[in-house]
Amino acid sequence: SQKIEQNSEALNIQEGKTATLTCNYTNYSPAYLQWYRQDPGRGPVFLLLIRENEKEKRKERLKVTFDTTLKQSLFHITASQPADSATYLCTTDKLIFGTGTRLQVFP
Amino acid sequence: EPEVTQTPSHQVTQMGQEVILRCVPISNHLYFYWYRQILGQKVEFLVSFYNNEISEKSEIFDDQFSVERPDGSNFTLKIRSTKLEDSAMYFCASSESGRGAGSYNEQFFGPGTRLTVL
Repeated sequence: SQKIEQNSEALNIQEGKTATLTCNYTNYSPAYLQWYRQDPGRGPVFLLLIRENEKEKRKERLKVTFDTTLKQSLFHITASQPADSATYLCTTDKLIFGTGTRLQVFP
Repeated sequence: EPEVTQTPSHQVTQMGQEVILRCVPISNHLYFYWYRQILGQKVEFLVSFYNNEISEKSEIFDDQFSVERPDGSNFTLKIRSTKLEDSAMYFCASSESGRGAGSYNEQFFGPGTRLTVL
């Protein structure tokens, strides 16, 4: 069955550094992947969508890559800030969500 | 900025009772969704709805669940006979377009309804 895997361990980084989160998919070739941010007790908020024919997408301090050979998407936050602390979710066009990776940015 | 709203924010019910969770999607959106998230677990797709009918549903969405768009603004999820394991946060979402490869399926999520079944 289709699976989306994200590193379930929390990622702790220092303010100003680049955070890199990973999303791997198996048994499936999605037409696109999406990244959402979720704060505790709240609904996910859309961040970026990247299609299978796009290698990279950027939005302000955010960058997403899509490697169909590795079956992987990487999500980068540059110049990270404490306000970036949240759980980041990866999802496919089949509406399958990963478990999310919790990012904690320390001042 | 337009947003998806959900009521109630918290619903407590007894096992076996029926509950109706309500959502008001963004007004010009055509596609509507329900998800659930059990505490500490991942977001799980339940059902999508377009043109007044279910377009897709997951294995979770069995006969105890139903959805309805009773008027031009509300979108509801009914759970007929609640079970303890239905306790979760239920999110409604809406999008302008569907999930085709040529579409841009940014979904806007509501704040959720926390359902507690005792």
